Amino acid sequence: GENVEQHPSTLSVQEGDSAVIKCTYSDSASNYFPWYKQELGKGPQLIIDIRSNVGEKKDQRIAVTLNKTAKHFSLHITETQPEDSAVYFCAASPNAGGTSYGKLTFGQGTILTVHP
Amino acid sequence: GAVVSQHPSRVICKSGTSVKIECRSLDFQATTMFWYRQFPKKSLMLMATSNEGSKATYEQGVEKDKFLINHASLTLSTLTVTSAHPEDSSFYICSARFRTGVYGYTFGSGTRLTVV
Repeated sequence: GENVEQHPSTLSVQEGDSAVIKCTYSDSASNYFPWYKQELGKGPQLIIDIRSNVGEKKDQRIAVTLNKTAKHFSLHITETQPEDSAVYFCAASPNAGGTSYGKLTFGQGTILTVHP
Repeated sequence: GAVVSQHPSRVICKSGTSVKIECRSLDFQATTMFWYRQFPKKSLMLMATSNEGSKATYEQGVEKDKFLINHASLTLSTLTVTSAHPEDSSFYICSARFRTGVYGYTFGSGTRLTVV
C-alpha cells in the first residue's frame, strides 16, 4: 500500500516568514495530493490540492509543488500569519483503480507555529 | 458545497455501552465514506471504507464486530462503537468522496469519544 512520509514534524517561524513542508510517497499509482489544515478538536480542512497532471498550483499565499519522478510534493506558505498556526497534513490517493482506490493515506503531520 | 455533518461532536459513555456516530452528506450523494481514528498528536488512521448498500471494508487490525459501520443510504453513514472500553477513547472522523467534475474529499468535524 501507499506510504507517505512528512517532514518536519514541527516548524516554528516568525510572522511574515515562509514555511515549507515536504512529503514523499511510495505508490506510483497515486495521482491526487491534498493538503489539510487541522485545528485542535476539529476535522481536517482542505487548503490546497494538486493532481498528477500539473507540477505546481498556487492559491494566494499557499502553493503546492509536485515532482512525480521523485515522488515528492511540498506545501509552501508565504507571509505567514499567527492564524496559520495549526497542524498540517499531506495525503496521497490513487484514484485510478487497484486495491487502494480512493483511499487517502496521510502523512504524520506538521505542527506549524507562527510567532507574532 | 460538499459538506459533511458529523454528530455528536463529543460523547462520554460508560464502559460496556455502545455509541453511534453519524455522518450525513448535506448537499451531495456520498457513495463512498471513510472512517478515521486519530489519537492525540497523531495522524489520521483509516479504519474502514463504506460503500452505499454494501458491507464496509475494514483495514487490517480493525475489529469489525467492535466498529460497526452502516451506509444504508447515499447521505448517511454511521459508526457504532460496541461494548466500548477506555482504550476506544479517541477522535473519530468521517470523510466522504465526492465528484463535481473532478473528485475530492470532504471531512466531518470529528467526534471526541471518551469512555469512562
